[in-house]
Amino acid sequence: GENVEQHPSTLSVQEGDSAVIKCTYSDSASNYFPWYKQELGKGPQLIIDIRSNVGEKKDQRIAVTLNKTAKHFSLHITETQPEDSAVYFCATNTRTGNQFYFGTGTSLTVIP
Amino acid sequence: GAGVSQSPRYKVTKRGQDVTLRCDPISSHATLYWYQQALGQGPEFLTYFNYEAQPDKSGLPSDRFSAERPEGSISTLTIQRTEQRDSAMYRCASSPSGTRVNGELFFGEGSRLTVL
Repeated sequence: GENVEQHPSTLSVQEGDSAVIKCTYSDSASNYFPWYKQELGKGPQLIIDIRSNVGEKKDQRIAVTLNKTAKHFSLHITETQPEDSAVYFCATNTRTGNQFYFGTGTSLTVIP
Repeated sequence: GAGVSQSPRYKVTKRGQDVTLRCDPISSHATLYWYQQALGQGPEFLTYFNYEAQPDKSGLPSDRFSAERPEGSISTLTIQRTEQRDSAMYRCASSPSGTRVNGELFFGEGSRLTVL
């Protein structure tokens, strides 16, 4: 099956700094790459996604970049704020397209 | 409903007992997923439904696990003869899309199962 690796597992940044989380995947047929944010006690929520025909997508302070040749994609958060503190998961869809594989998560702490 | 609703939120059971977890998805959503999430890990796929059909149950860990969605809306996940290794958060998610997933999953708050 698909293998999704996510790094780092924990990340602490000062408020206002940038945070970058990286994921690699193995299935070259994957064509959809979402990022989910999970706050304490809640289910994961989609924050941004990218499709394989696009190299970069931005939404205010968050952006995602995709390198299909190298099979990796990254989440970038700029001007971090304490409310960005959460666990972030990357995911890819599978060859058949009917399920997702999730990364192991990155616990981000933004220090005020 | 307004969001994905799961019950119970917490379940503590003794080893060997059967448990049933329930998911009420967003009413217009065709697709429903069950995931298992261990502490500190990402959600792991168990099975999914497209309306009442269950095209893929490859992620179910053993034949003690089963899921149903008889009328294409509410779904249940049943674990028979529970074992301590079944302790985890069980998350349900729904999606409006059909057989090919390339859109948002809406997750419930999960059911935390503890097997003593």
